[in-house]
Amino acid sequence: GAVVSQHPSRVICKSGTSVKIECRSLDFQATTMFWYRQFPKQSLMLMATSNEGSKATYEQGVEKDKFLINHASLTLSTLTVTSAHPEDSSFYICSAVGSGGTDTQYFGPGTRLTVL
Amino acid sequence: GENVEQHPSTLSVQEGDSAVIKCTYSDSASNYFPWYKQELGKGPQLIIDIRSNVGEKKDQRIAVTLNKTAKHFSLHITETQPEDSAVYFCAASRGNQFYFGTGTSLTVIP
Repeated sequence: GAVVSQHPSRVICKSGTSVKIECRSLDFQATTMFWYRQFPKQSLMLMATSNEGSKATYEQGVEKDKFLINHASLTLSTLTVTSAHPEDSSFYICSAVGSGGTDTQYFGPGTRLTVL
Repeated sequence: GENVEQHPSTLSVQEGDSAVIKCTYSDSASNYFPWYKQELGKGPQLIIDIRSNVGEKKDQRIAVTLNKTAKHFSLHITETQPEDSAVYFCAASRGNQFYFGTGTSLTVIP
């Protein structure tokens, strides 16, 4: 149980294009999902917290117009990197917290984004 | 806010030996302490967790201890195996607020 998937697992795009990453909770309903960014050999950096049906809460320094987050259902959240640039290249990981009162975060497998 | 420190940053042990990773936290209101294992190119996987009303928890070769007074908690891996090699992250949380440590890269030498 508690499986979180991400799609795609890796994506390469040209500078200036937009990329959408999907995060799904496969066997539980997630009232809250988190999006993290991870640089090589570093810890997880929280970008934003999204609650189903409401606007995401972004961490300080994260551009909400650049990193669009939508949490349209209890099993799906999407992160869209708009007008991507090489400095946006990174490993993006989502996590989900179940709706049953637990606070345990379950992570997806991550998406490797490379912007050329 | 919460501040989580994790030590050591790298750890090498011989296969079969034990490994211990330690974390400290600053916010006494934190009440949930998970440990995650992250293999190269993958997302973190929850391996064990402990809540503030418990002092120790064990799951086969993995154990976690929590000292609320001193605000530190530790991960213990016994009889290490090469497949235990990975980066391990601790976290301290209260509700949906999670604070991660900086990670420990564990290498188990066959």
